[in-house]
Amino acid sequence: DGGITQSPKYLFRKEGQNVTLSCEQNLNHDAMYWYRQDPGQGLRLIYYSQIVNDFQKGDIAEGYSVSREKKESFPLTVTSAQKNPTAFYLCASSMGWANTGELFFGEGSRLTVL
Amino acid sequence: GENVEQHPSTLSVQEGDSAVIKCTYSDSASNYFPWYKQELGKRPQLIIDIRSNVGEKKDQRIAVTLNKTAKHFSLHITETQPEDSAVYFCAPSRTGANSKLTFGKGITLSVRP
Repeated sequence: DGGITQSPKYLFRKEGQNVTLSCEQNLNHDAMYWYRQDPGQGLRLIYYSQIVNDFQKGDIAEGYSVSREKKESFPLTVTSAQKNPTAFYLCASSMGWANTGELFFGEGSRLTVL
Repeated sequence: GENVEQHPSTLSVQEGDSAVIKCTYSDSASNYFPWYKQELGKRPQLIIDIRSNVGEKKDQRIAVTLNKTAKHFSLHITETQPEDSAVYFCAPSRTGANSKLTFGKGITLSVRP
């Protein structure tokens, strides 16, 4: 079954801890994205990557970090510097910048800071 | 960056009626205009999109119209059904290096049976 897999689906974290959310795709897509979704705020872009070993900050990158060592994987680390990390996180992929088109989303990861 | 607004923020219609959701944007270079649907507890999914060289596109009960001069595009749903109840997001963008989609805040559509 092709698509995007995010894990874990639910995650609880104590304040001051870093946590890493996994995102894997087998669609052979070049571009990958991380969005944060809060009630009434829509989808806000955290980081995106158009190619392996390269990524750019989105609109709300502070307190987050990413890596893109493999085409299939784009993990997101929520650091202790993120002041309000409790949210729903969505990973997505697309064919790439030259073919801007459909984003395929994972099922999301819900992070709760206790 | 792109400034995207969606109006209204919520919309309630009777089953069988039509619904129109509007999205305005600020970047005149935007050339790709998609609409995503997110049902409760599920991931967003593309339902229809249009490129700047086309004014209107239809797919069964849904259509998208584009007005590049006024910088807005709209989602039209005819003969609404309860399963159309969801949050709808627009995400205008431009193609090219480092392109990204900026999503609107979403519109919650409720279809009353």
